[in-house]
Amino acid sequence: DIQMTQSPSTLSASVGDRVTITCRASQSISSWLAWYQQKPGKAPKLLIYKASSLESGVPSRFSGSGSGTEFTLTISSLQPDDFATYYCQQYNSYPITFGQGTRLEIK
Amino acid sequence: EVQLVESGGGLVQPGGSLRLSCAASGFTFSDHYMDWVRQAPGKGLEWVGRTRNKANSYTTEYAASVKGRFTISRDDSKNSLYLQMNSLKTEDTAVYYCARDPDSSGYKGLWGQGTLVTVSS
Repeated sequence: DIQMTQSPSTLSASVGDRVTITCRASQSISSWLAWYQQKPGKAPKLLIYKASSLESGVPSRFSGSGSGTEFTLTISSLQPDDFATYYCQQYNSYPITFGQGTRLEIK
Repeated sequence: EVQLVESGGGLVQPGGSLRLSCAASGFTFSDHYMDWVRQAPGKGLEWVGRTRNKANSYTTEYAASVKGRFTISRDDSKNSLYLQMNSLKTEDTAVYYCARDPDSSGYKGLWGQGTLVTVSS
């Protein structure tokens, strides 16, 4: 199975900050990576697919990059609505696997 | 409105069975691969399994943790997805989400609101 490791596990930041979350795969997954945002008590929401493609309706302050084994999700200027937990997910091979999550909290 | 709505969750004893349903609306359900994903209380997301569409013979994939105990099926005439869960264990306690794969590649662009399954004596 492909292991997905996110860092950091928790990130404290302020409104307006630029933040980056990293996701590493235990083997190459090409660009078959998605990012999701989840708020407490809610279903995950797709932000990015194929490593860098922005899902329709998602603000352009979100961006994704990377290929192979290392990927990043960047939020260019944090907004109050962005404080949530973020997950990466590989879909290069079965079983589909998720990172453990990064909790983005208000500093 | 494009949506997925899960139902069927509840309290079940260890060793018991439960069947979850997911009703789809607002899109052509039969075209899409569909997944189940779960989330134990306070934990991260875990993929459970998927069913492909008719064009791909409705074949299925499962996580090792549920293979042989859980069965995913679908009824395209009813726009519905199902998860039959047998031999339930306490570690199966989670919110179960159904999710749609937009292009059969593996990411999930549409999620239901989830249904809670609690396995406890």
